[in-house]
Amino acid sequence: DTGVSQDPRHKITKRGQNVTFRCDPISEHNRLYWYRQTLGQGPEFLTYFQNEAQLEKSRLLSDRFSAERPKGSFSTLEIQRTEQGDSAMYLCASALWTGVDEQYFGPGTRLTVT
Amino acid sequence: GNSVTQMEGPVTLSEEAFLTINCTYTATGYPSLFWYVQYPGEGLQLLLKATKADDKGSNKGFEATYRKETTSFHLEKGSVQVSDSAVYFCALWKTSYDKVIFGPGTSLSVIP
Repeated sequence: DTGVSQDPRHKITKRGQNVTFRCDPISEHNRLYWYRQTLGQGPEFLTYFQNEAQLEKSRLLSDRFSAERPKGSFSTLEIQRTEQGDSAMYLCASALWTGVDEQYFGPGTRLTVT
Repeated sequence: GNSVTQMEGPVTLSEEAFLTINCTYTATGYPSLFWYVQYPGEGLQLLLKATKADDKGSNKGFEATYRKETTSFHLEKGSVQVSDSAVYFCALWKTSYDKVIFGPGTSLSVIP
């Protein structure tokens, strides 16, 4: 069990550019979550998948954000036309659905939009 | 709606002091409650959990008891160490809501 991994760990981009982040969950976990965390705040839910199906998206997830989990394994989160307000830590978590959602988090991708 | 409130930080304690971080929640029914810890530069780790009223979660010397009557899940440790310096997040989860809701976090610094 290598845990949840995320790539890249840090990303600096210019406003208006597109960025894509990758998350590799724990292999037997069927649920995968994306969160956004800003300084001094707790993680805010963005979206989640059960296997390859995207079951819910937060209102925080504007049309510029899209997430995929094409084969029910790794997931990608893309932000188009980045804005300075997108600067945050993007966290991925995975869980094995057993009736209680015990989530395991990756180290996060820190995005800085200049 | 569902929400989690935590005591404001930062909290600074001397090594071997007693720790309490207060957490209260707003939710209908019986959510599951969690404490997560985030060490500097790392992701969140599940510290402990409780899934029903009066359950006590414990791990690494930390404890928290699910109090339905006061809608609380306070985190305690009898003797903190420098290595406990981190940010602690209280969180809840409900089947009907199907996502984890986090509190704002409480930063703890333990000084030798």
